[in-house]
Amino acid sequence: EIVLTQSPGTLSLSPGERATLSCRASQSIINTYLAWYQQKPGQAPRLLVYGVSRATGIPDRFSPSGSGTDFTLTITRLEPEDFAVYYCQQCGSSPETFGQGTRLEIK
Amino acid sequence: QVQLQESGPGLVQPSETLSLTCSVSDISIISASYWGWIRQPPGKGLEWIGNIYHTGSTFYNPSLTSRVTMSVDTSKNQFSLKLSSVTAADTAVYYCARGIPLGVVTAPHDVWGQGTLVTVSS
Repeated sequence: EIVLTQSPGTLSLSPGERATLSCRASQSIINTYLAWYQQKPGQAPRLLVYGVSRATGIPDRFSPSGSGTDFTLTITRLEPEDFAVYYCQQCGSSPETFGQGTRLEIK
Repeated sequence: QVQLQESGPGLVQPSETLSLTCSVSDISIISASYWGWIRQPPGKGLEWIGNIYHTGSTFYNPSLTSRVTMSVDTSKNQFSLKLSSVTAADTAVYYCARGIPLGVVTAPHDVWGQGTLVTVSS
């Protein structure tokens, strides 16, 4: 099973700033099979990106990068609606696994 | 747009079987997609339970495989989850979701149901 470790646990930033979220895998993953989700309280997770593709309707301020075992989600110019919990997921081998999440909070 | 809706009991007795159904709207379940279940214990992270293809092929999380059964009903455009011998540790919000087929049995999930809280308690 591939373990995903996200850092930091909590990130405190202000609207307009840039956020950098990290996801490290215990084994190498083809980047096509690395996805990022956003979850707000009381809501289901929302797929943001997988591989280098943004999901439908996701603005281009969400930008994935990385390869091998180290992946990053960068959010440029934070908007108020971006403050939420973010999860990475690997879907290249069974079982699918998720990171423990990064909470992005308003500073 | 594609919509998914979970249904089933919100309270299950310990040692009993949890049963949930996901109704799919605005897309045929026999489209080229995987259909999955993911759960989230209160205040915790996400755990993949398994995926099913419209042909009935199933792929389960090894940690749950002895207790999980997934099935698909193409006539009703629904798929279902059964989890047997539940304990309090199975208390969670259960989500059904569509998987984007990428040529492997696992998938990113682009459409999710709203989730249903299932509590295991006597």
